[in-house]
Amino acid sequence: QSALTQPASVSGSPGQSITISCTGTSDDVGYYNYVSWFQQHPGKAPKLLIYDVRNRPSAVSSRFSGSKSGNTASLTISGLQAEDEADYYCCSYTGSSTLYVFGTGTRVTVL
Amino acid sequence: QVQLVQSGAEVRRPGASVKVSCKTSGYTFIGYYLHWVRQAPGQGLQWMGWINPNNGGTKYAENFQGRVTITRDTSVNTAYMELTSLKSDDTGVYYCARTEYTTSLYADHWGQGTLVTVSS
Repeated sequence: QSALTQPASVSGSPGQSITISCTGTSDDVGYYNYVSWFQQHPGKAPKLLIYDVRNRPSAVSSRFSGSKSGNTASLTISGLQAEDEADYYCCSYTGSSTLYVFGTGTRVTVL
Repeated sequence: QVQLVQSGAEVRRPGASVKVSCKTSGYTFIGYYLHWVRQAPGQGLQWMGWINPNNGGTKYAENFQGRVTITRDTSVNTAYMELTSLKSDDTGVYYCARTEYTTSLYADHWGQGTLVTVSS
């Protein structure tokens, strides 16, 4: 099972919106609506931002939103803030022997 | 509050085994699956497997099949991940995380991570 493809880096200025893509196949992202997104600051455990493509846990800021089209899922961060500078990973359920595949990760830089 | 607290850093020689624990509190242990996820230095996340603490059932990723064993002890609300035949590229941080289901990765709580270093 190959890792989902994400851009290595995305940057934006404070207040701007950025979008991170996550491309899989018709066997994972394209088939199941079980895509999650995680934020990870250096030296810390991942934090759940989005689950089931577009759902947000209650404690997560509404500035984070998720969507999907075909084999590509996307995470949008609106009103970019300095604290959003971190690594972001998508993850999809696959239904195969390896149940979950993560993305390659995207480093977000706030200019 | 929900907490997942993992055991401390380990150093092992190639060929050895390591067992990492994940002690939980603040919720019903048997009500949530516990997953293990690895992160090699400077690399991304890799799903290793899960355990159903209710019945001990497990599911492992193909890449780790035969080398990883996940167990649990319901008397102390703790899950364990043992990895055998260690190689240098097993070096990394190992995380446990809980989910309510085995489809949606609604991993809302994670352990702090355990660094395992494999070196001769």
